[in-house]
Amino acid sequence: EPEVTQTPSHQVTQMGQEVILRCVPISNHLYFYWYRQILGQKVEFLVSFYNNEISEKSEIFDDQFSVERPDGSNFTLKIRSTKLEDSAMYFCASSDRVTNEQFFGPGTRLTVL
Amino acid sequence: AQKITQTQPGMFVQEKEAVTLDCTYDTSDPSYGLFWYKQPSSGEMIFLIYQGSYDQQNATEGRYSLNFQKARKSANLVISASQLGDSAMYFCAMRAHGGATNKLIFGTGTLLAVQP
Repeated sequence: EPEVTQTPSHQVTQMGQEVILRCVPISNHLYFYWYRQILGQKVEFLVSFYNNEISEKSEIFDDQFSVERPDGSNFTLKIRSTKLEDSAMYFCASSDRVTNEQFFGPGTRLTVL
Repeated sequence: AQKITQTQPGMFVQEKEAVTLDCTYDTSDPSYGLFWYKQPSSGEMIFLIYQGSYDQQNATEGRYSLNFQKARKSANLVISASQLGDSAMYFCAMRAHGGATNKLIFGTGTLLAVQP
């Protein structure tokens, strides 16, 4: 069964460093998303991406964040200069239609020291 | 504004019993979808069940069913015949179908513990 994959599963970085979180959505999906979940809290929407551009972003998704689909399979989230409060689980999700369920990847746990 | 409320931070259920996890929502959009996801201790988010606002029947998927009461704006998840492997965090989520947004709005979750 097709699934969303994410790498790495755990990333530890120093404050101020850049990180890139990678996702491979399900191959025939067209809509891509990033969410984050701070430990013990609810899942929060960051950004959605369709047709090679951002279709929506939340107030969390400030200038430190960017997304890219560098090729036909990968979807990346870059944080330019990490802060302590960026420590969270980051989930990538994809769907084949905007009204269908979003399938989540296993997440990348980001720890900023 | 859209909002999901899950009022039960934690629930216990005996193995083989049924359990209902509550979810209420608020939206002004006439067309929307409601979702339930399971998050085990390993952290991944597993899609369980979906209910569209115009669906006439309550959604069912195996042991999962969604008790959709549109007038009350509730979308409770019912798990029948609980199993030890059902112990996890459960999140209710909503997405409006109209307009430009397709993001999921999540509730705060309910931690379910299934006891032998």
